[in-house]
Amino acid sequence: GDSVTQMEGPVTLSEEAFLTINCTYTATGYPSLFWYVQYPGEGLQLLLKATKADDKGSNKGFEATYRKETTSFHLEKGSVQVSDSAVYFCALSDPGDTGRRALTFGSGTRLQVQP
Amino acid sequence: ETGVTQSPTHLIKTRGQQVTLRCSSQSGHNTVSWYQQALGQGPQFIFQYYREEENGRGNFPPRFSGLQFPNYSSELNVNALELDDSALYLCASSSSSGSALQETQYFGPGTRLLVL
Repeated sequence: GDSVTQMEGPVTLSEEAFLTINCTYTATGYPSLFWYVQYPGEGLQLLLKATKADDKGSNKGFEATYRKETTSFHLEKGSVQVSDSAVYFCALSDPGDTGRRALTFGSGTRLQVQP
Repeated sequence: ETGVTQSPTHLIKTRGQQVTLRCSSQSGHNTVSWYQQALGQGPQFIFQYYREEENGRGNFPPRFSGLQFPNYSSELNVNALELDDSALYLCASSSSSGSALQETQYFGPGTRLLVL
């Protein structure tokens, strides 16, 4: 079945540091890939997405490129801020044969940015 | 444009009771999905409804059931609550069209359920 593997956290960085959160996936079809962010006590917010190989999703300084050859969708940001502290989830949507468009999530990576 | 809303925000129940959680989809969306997020974990897919019909189910027992109404709002019902049902329950809406790959799910703030 489909699965998503994320690097374990917490990831602790100083403000303005470079961020990478690794994400790899296994899917039977041609999935869409997503990064969601969850701030403390809140639901999930869509951060960015990519729907086909070599697409780059970007938003608020975050970027991720859909790499089919390495089945990866790593999240990067050049300079993190304290306000980026949250839990980040990588997810895929793989309709396959059923047409069901459920999201399969990774376990999440907690990012802590220190001033 | 109104986002996804859920009610209640918090709920405390005892083991064996039944609970109903509610979700109002984002305007224009015809598909709703429900997820369970245990503490410290990623969300797990419960089921999805499209135009009032169940359109897929995850690995959850039948005591988890749902409804979608003509206005695309939705309910999640859980019978015979167990301690392990304590979690954040998330509703997500999307607009299903011919291209599945273009769909994006938008989440509500969730309902935090505690079973004692």
